[in-house]
Amino acid sequence: DTGVSQNPRHKITKRGQNVTFRCDPISEHNRLYWYRQTLGQGPEFLTYFQNEAQLEKSRLLSDRFSAERPKGSFSTLEIQRTEQGDSAMYLCASSSTYILAKNIQYFGAGTRLSVL
Amino acid sequence: AQSVTQLDSQVPVFEEAPVELRCNYSSSVSVYLFWYVQYPNQGLQLLLKYLSGSTLVESINGFEAEFNKSQTSFHLRKPSVHISDTAEYFCAVSPGGTSYGKLTFGQGTILTVHP
Repeated sequence: DTGVSQNPRHKITKRGQNVTFRCDPISEHNRLYWYRQTLGQGPEFLTYFQNEAQLEKSRLLSDRFSAERPKGSFSTLEIQRTEQGDSAMYLCASSSTYILAKNIQYFGAGTRLSVL
Repeated sequence: AQSVTQLDSQVPVFEEAPVELRCNYSSSVSVYLFWYVQYPNQGLQLLLKYLSGSTLVESINGFEAEFNKSQTSFHLRKPSVHISDTAEYFCAVSPGGTSYGKLTFGQGTILTVHP
């Protein structure tokens, strides 16, 4: 068990460019969550998957954002035509529905996005 | 829908003093409650959780929190803090039972322990 892994750790991009982040959950976890955290705020939910199915999306997830989990393992979060307001820490978490201690979400270290 | 309010954005204390970080939540359904800690330049780590059963839950490093359903609170306490407890603490809630899913977080409380 190596924990939740996120790559890259930092991403600097110019406004208008597309970016993609990757999350590798804990191997036996079937749920995967994406959150966004801006400076001075708590994490805000973006979307989550159970296996490969995307079960819920926040209204924060505009049309420029898309997330996938094609094989029910790793997930990618893509932001198209980035804006300065997209600058934030993007957090990934995973959990299992198969054990008694449900909904204990384990977080990765995050990807910090800076849009110039 | 759920919401979480952390009543203090910053809490400065001296080493070995007691501390309480306050958290109130709002929900129309049963909930699971969590405290996460974030040390500088690190990810969120689960500190403790309330899922069911005893309303008083404890962590391995001396923190405890009590679920108070009537006051819709889940305050975090420690009787004697250490310098190493300096971090940001987040209270979070999710629907309980079979509806659990996304976490809703509070704004965070920065705990600073002074020597």
